Amino acid sequence: NAGVTQTPKFQVLKTGQSMTLQCAQDMNHEYMSWYRQDPGMGLRLIHYSVGAGITDQGEVPNGYNVSRSTTEDFPLRLLSAAPSQTSVYFCASSPTASGNTIYFGEGSWLTVV
Amino acid sequence: GENVEQHPSTLSVQEGDSAVIKCTYSDSASNYFPWYKQELGKGPQLIIDIRSNVGEKKDQRIAVTLNKTAKHFSLHITETQPEDSAVYFCAASGGVFGNEKLTFGTGTRLTIIP
Repeated sequence: NAGVTQTPKFQVLKTGQSMTLQCAQDMNHEYMSWYRQDPGMGLRLIHYSVGAGITDQGEVPNGYNVSRSTTEDFPLRLLSAAPSQTSVYFCASSPTASGNTIYFGEGSWLTVV
Repeated sequence: GENVEQHPSTLSVQEGDSAVIKCTYSDSASNYFPWYKQELGKGPQLIIDIRSNVGEKKDQRIAVTLNKTAKHFSLHITETQPEDSAVYFCAASGGVFGNEKLTFGTGTRLTIIP
């Protein structure tokens, strides 16, 4: 009963490096999304997808890329890491985008030095 | 876009007492209002949600009320227990799909005092 799985759980990057945060769900959910969580700012939507092959920007998309080649996977790519991208990242999924329960992963703690 | 304000940012309540967390939203088109509980080191978990065609919803010790005219909604937890200690987030969405662009409040850290 895996649900939403994120890897890695912890990562330290140097400024300018690139990396990919992996997200996979085994519930055959159409909707997937990425949020970042910063102290005092709640969760902010980075990118989302309403189905395979379809992605769109959220509130804070700059510096991040996503793709959705399969229903199960929704990786988040940091193109050139900056200290401002130090945050906790959460991947989430739901059966559809129509107001269903959103299931969150356990989070990925990223530090950019 | 939508803006969600949440108060208070911290709340301490004696075990057995009630806790109330309030949120306001800006977009009158918003129609879906979930509440999430986040425990330390974990992802948020949905505890209750309400849609704009309903004024109140209850699930055991948890209830949510919605006032569309005033654009605010509240979470009520009765008979609080130590395991209720966590960070609670409200959210609002008015997108075509509902979950499409969920906007979160900044969170309330609830501490239950034994």
